[in-house]
Amino acid sequence: QVQLVQSGAEVKKPGASVKVSCKASGYTFTTYGISWVRQAPGQGLEWMGWISAYNGNTNYAQKLQGRVTMTTDTSTSTAYMDLRSLRSDDTAVYYCARDTSYGDYAEGGSWFDPWGQGTLVTVSS
Amino acid sequence: DIQMTQSPSSLSASVGDRVTITCRASQSISNYLNWFQQKPGKAPKLLIYAASSLQSGVPSRFSGSGSGTDFTLTISSLQPEDFATYYCQQSYSTPRTFGQGTKVEIK
Repeated sequence: QVQLVQSGAEVKKPGASVKVSCKASGYTFTTYGISWVRQAPGQGLEWMGWISAYNGNTNYAQKLQGRVTMTTDTSTSTAYMDLRSLRSDDTAVYYCARDTSYGDYAEGGSWFDPWGQGTLVTVSS
Repeated sequence: DIQMTQSPSSLSASVGDRVTITCRASQSISNYLNWFQQKPGKAPKLLIYAASSLQSGVPSRFSGSGSGTDFTLTISSLQPEDFATYYCQQSYSTPRTFGQGTKVEIK
C-alpha cells in the first residue's frame, strides 16, 4: 500500500536547523510530488511548499522563502525538508503528503494523499 | 493569497444527523477544492477532491458540492467515527491554503 514514513521527533534550540525525512513506498516515487504541511499546537494546517520528485522543481510559501529547502533522493524514494534559523513559532507537527502534481505547480487541481504520520519539531531554549 | 473561510467553526450533532459544513473562497477557484478529515493526534485524511469526487475507500455518506467560491461538505448520516475536525483546502493557486477547520462534536 502507498505509505509515507517520516523521521522521529526533534528538539532544537532557537537559531538551529532541522531536517525531516519522508520515505515513500508502494508507488512510483517520480510520478508524484511531495508537499509539506505543518500544524502548530492546537492550530490549523499551513502549507509550506512542494517539490516535484520528477524533476526537482520547487514552490515554497513566501513566508518561508530563504529558510526552507526541500529536496528528494530518488534512489531511496525519500523527500527531505530542511528548515533553518528556527524560532519558537516553528514549533509544530510537520507532515509530508504525496501531491498529485509532479510537473508545473502553477497548474491547479492537485490534492494530498496519503500523508505521513507527522514529525513533532519543538524549538525551545 | 486566497483566503478560505469555513462555517461553522464548530458544531454539535448526534449520531444519524445530517451535517453540512460550508467553505467560502475569497475569489473564484473553479472546482479546485479538497476536503480533509483530521482526528486528534493523527494526520489529515483526504475525503473529497476536485469539489465533488469521493476519494477511494471513503464512505458514501460523505459528499461534496460547489464551484466558484462556495462549497459544501455533507455527511448524510453522522457516525461515531465521524467526530473529528474537517478542513477545506484550495488547489487553484499557490500558496495552497486551508480553511480554519470545523470541529464536529458529539451532542
